[in-house]
Amino acid sequence: AQSVTQLGSHVSVSEGALVLLRCNYSSSVPPYLFWYVQYPNQGLQLLLKYTTGATLVKGINGFEAEFKKSETSFHLTKPSAHMSDAAEYFCAVSEGDTGRRALTFGSGTRLQVQP
Amino acid sequence: DAGVIQSPRHEVTEMGQEVTLRCKPISGHNSLFWYRQTMMRGLELLIYFNNNVPIDDSGMPEDRFSAKMPNASFSTLKIQPSEPRDSAVYFCASSFRGLDTEAFFGQGTRLTVV
Repeated sequence: AQSVTQLGSHVSVSEGALVLLRCNYSSSVPPYLFWYVQYPNQGLQLLLKYTTGATLVKGINGFEAEFKKSETSFHLTKPSAHMSDAAEYFCAVSEGDTGRRALTFGSGTRLQVQP
Repeated sequence: DAGVIQSPRHEVTEMGQEVTLRCKPISGHNSLFWYRQTMMRGLELLIYFNNNVPIDDSGMPEDRFSAKMPNASFSTLKIQPSEPRDSAVYFCASSFRGLDTEAFFGQGTRLTVV
């Protein structure tokens, strides 16, 4: 069984400040990890993913995340927030190379960016 | 490609009526997923198909819900009879062969049951 915990349902930062959204996962097999972003009344769009290889992964819009197996974490960061980053962010896990590809999502973190 | 296409985008129906949500996955994708999003429960997997075959339907809430995938380019999610607690946004997603590929989501169908 898999689960994802996103700490903080709401995060507020100032424009230009560091963005840090936290994600911890639980998985009985090596996980594949994803971050998706959802803008109002839209579907989910992939920001980045970790499957194998380099543990620091870069995504779109300047976001990156680091897979830390020892901490079972996959936190999302961006050095400098932009107003357009305001959205809801979801961390998700799938069961890696076992073949079960359905994603289990965290509860989401709503990011506010203050001018 | 136009992406995953869902219809309708919005549906308002009366309690007890049958509702059918439709999804056209991205051409060439072999996995299809139906998710439901609510404020209370977040994003829940309802069912997923691999090569048109249902693999896991453990998330389907009850017998009122059914899903089909008659071919690789079309899937439906049906609720009969609908209830107010079914009000939610329903997302369809698809993914390509290869275990490390991500799921692409449609725009969702916002269902309101009154």
